[in-house]
Amino acid sequence: QVHLRESGPGLVKPSETLSLTCSISGYNVGSDTFWGWFRQTPGKGLEWLASLHPDGTSFYSPSLRRRDMMSLDTSNNQFSLTLTSVTAADTATYYCAKIGGVSGRRWFGPWGQGILVTVSS
Amino acid sequence: QSALTQEVSVSGTVGQRVTLSCIGNNIGRYPVSWYQQISHVAPKIVMFETSRPSGIPDRFSGSRSGTTSSLTISGLQPEDEADYYCSTWDTSRRTWVFGGGTRLTVL
Repeated sequence: QVHLRESGPGLVKPSETLSLTCSISGYNVGSDTFWGWFRQTPGKGLEWLASLHPDGTSFYSPSLRRRDMMSLDTSNNQFSLTLTSVTAADTATYYCAKIGGVSGRRWFGPWGQGILVTVSS
Repeated sequence: QSALTQEVSVSGTVGQRVTLSCIGNNIGRYPVSWYQQISHVAPKIVMFETSRPSGIPDRFSGSRSGTTSSLTISGLQPEDEADYYCSTWDTSRRTWVFGGGTRLTVL
């Protein structure tokens, strides 16, 4: 069974860089599948942020900044999200998920349990 | 403003049939998936177009008509109380989008 778990800081100061990691068990991160990051806030609801395939194919939400990015770490079977110059608007619960299906027919799951990140000085 | 519109809240009694809707211009061009989120923990996929993932009870069904996707629960159970979100690809925004979510209450 595939399990994902997010980790990272619960509190980040404005203008700093936020780095989140998603650790995977029961599946090889280097396999032929996409991995994704999402976040959820009371005001904006669920939001897709980015998706990445082990072959390097990536997709990013237009809402992310140019230097925000995802990366894969096959040695540790995990993937990460880095958000730069964070603001209070980045305060959210962040989820990672496996992306199933094929091009044009994709779904999200399973999901990690989520991690609450607060941006505040 | 969400690209997908869902009812804010729906309620039903145990055993009742309820239908949640998701309206959006991209529905029909790309498949719609539905996610269940219980008590703000990890979302779980419960429907992809009209297909139920493994482990999802057969009281859940999906359908589509024009620009509306629907999730129907026939024989509502207490454990179905949750927030439900629909999602699809938005071609104009070039992003995956989610509806605002429907809070399903089992009375």
